[in-house]
Amino acid sequence: EPEVTQTPSHQVTQMGQEVILRCVPISNHLYFYWYRQILGQKVEFLVSFYNNEISEKSEIFDDQFSVERPDGSNFTLKIRSTKLEDSAMYFCASREGQGSGNTIYFGEGSWLTVV
Amino acid sequence: TQLLEQSPQFLSIQEGENLTVYCNSSSVFSSLQWYRQEPGEGPVLLVTVVTGGEVKKLKRLTFQFGDARKDSSLHITAAQPGDTGLYLCAGPPLGGDMRFGAGTRLTVKP
Repeated sequence: EPEVTQTPSHQVTQMGQEVILRCVPISNHLYFYWYRQILGQKVEFLVSFYNNEISEKSEIFDDQFSVERPDGSNFTLKIRSTKLEDSAMYFCASREGQGSGNTIYFGEGSWLTVV
Repeated sequence: TQLLEQSPQFLSIQEGENLTVYCNSSSVFSSLQWYRQEPGEGPVLLVTVVTGGEVKKLKRLTFQFGDARKDSSLHITAAQPGDTGLYLCAGPPLGGDMRFGAGTRLTVKP
């Protein structure tokens, strides 16, 4: 079964450093997402991406964050100047279309620890 | 305030018991999805409900979408320890992108 893959599975970074989290969505999917989940807390929407541009973003997704689809397969989340509170599991997700029956599929997540 | 309110937040039961968890909103959703998440892993889709009033069964799990498409419930019959996990409802409100509830953390004790 096709799946969303994410790398790295775990990254430890120093506060103030830049981090890039990578995702390979399912190949025929057109809508891409990043969510995050701080340990023990709820899954929070960060951003959605379609047709090479951001279609919606949350208040969490400030200037510190950016997304990019540098080629036909990868979808990246960049976090500039990381802060301690950025420590979380970051999930990439994708879906084929936006119709009500279109399922969103999640990757296994990338654990980010900022020290 | 949460767009999707899930209740209860925590539920601990004995093996063999039945349970129902709820997902409520004041907004209309074009569909709702239920996920189960294990610690350290991504959410895994259980079911998608699309039509108001729809009921879907997945073995011992029964999912219902409210007639007005503002709420949903998940009923588990004869719970087993393997059902332990975080149950999340999620959906796109009309015109919006996927949002998650805070989840119900279920523990089934043997």
